Amino acid sequence: GQSLEQPSEVTAVEGAIVQINCTYQTSGFYGLSWYQQHDGGAPTFLSYNGLDGLEEKGRFSSFLSRSDSYGYLLLQELQMKDSASYFCADNYGQNFVFGPGTRLSVLP
Amino acid sequence: IAGITQAPTSQILAAGRRMTLRCTQDMRHNAMYWYRQDLGLGLRLIHYSNTAGTTGKGEVPDGYSVSRANTDDFPLTLASAVPSQTSVYFCASSEGATNEKLFFGSGTQLSVL
Repeated sequence: GQSLEQPSEVTAVEGAIVQINCTYQTSGFYGLSWYQQHDGGAPTFLSYNGLDGLEEKGRFSSFLSRSDSYGYLLLQELQMKDSASYFCADNYGQNFVFGPGTRLSVLP
Repeated sequence: IAGITQAPTSQILAAGRRMTLRCTQDMRHNAMYWYRQDLGLGLRLIHYSNTAGTTGKGEVPDGYSVSRANTDDFPLTLASAVPSQTSVYFCASSEGATNEKLFFGSGTQLSVL
């Protein structure tokens, strides 16, 4: 089976840096994806790590360590619009399994 | 604009009734998925289809059925709705079964009373 764990909530102030962690336990692992979901909206793709290391996309970066079964999403220069839920996901085999999500609140 | 269209946007349904949630994509993606989202439980996979003509069960398939007669359409049917099926339902697609990027529809809010 597969399971992914994330913190339920994270709070940070505008302009700060925040890291959202994701640990996983899977019988097979393909790669780690990250999705953003605003309240009332649909999840949207942010990034993907198929290999160990850091992937940078503007203010967002994502990291994967297969040996530690661990990854994180790093958000820099936080803006109010970054307040949302963030989900890590393992696209294992024939389907995607999502973590429970981390709700990020950005304060002024 | 290319993407995934879900219908209806929301629905209130009496328990025991049959309901089909519609999902259509125009991106010619091979793989399609149905997820339900409940507070605190994240997104849970109900059924998936890797290509037209094939379907598979996800984590929570009981009480739901799907079909994939063509590439574009992937309807989800609740044969006899129960209150525990109250949820937000998202349809998604990806180019292939192991593609890292999912595209989601806007969701259907379903309430079963």
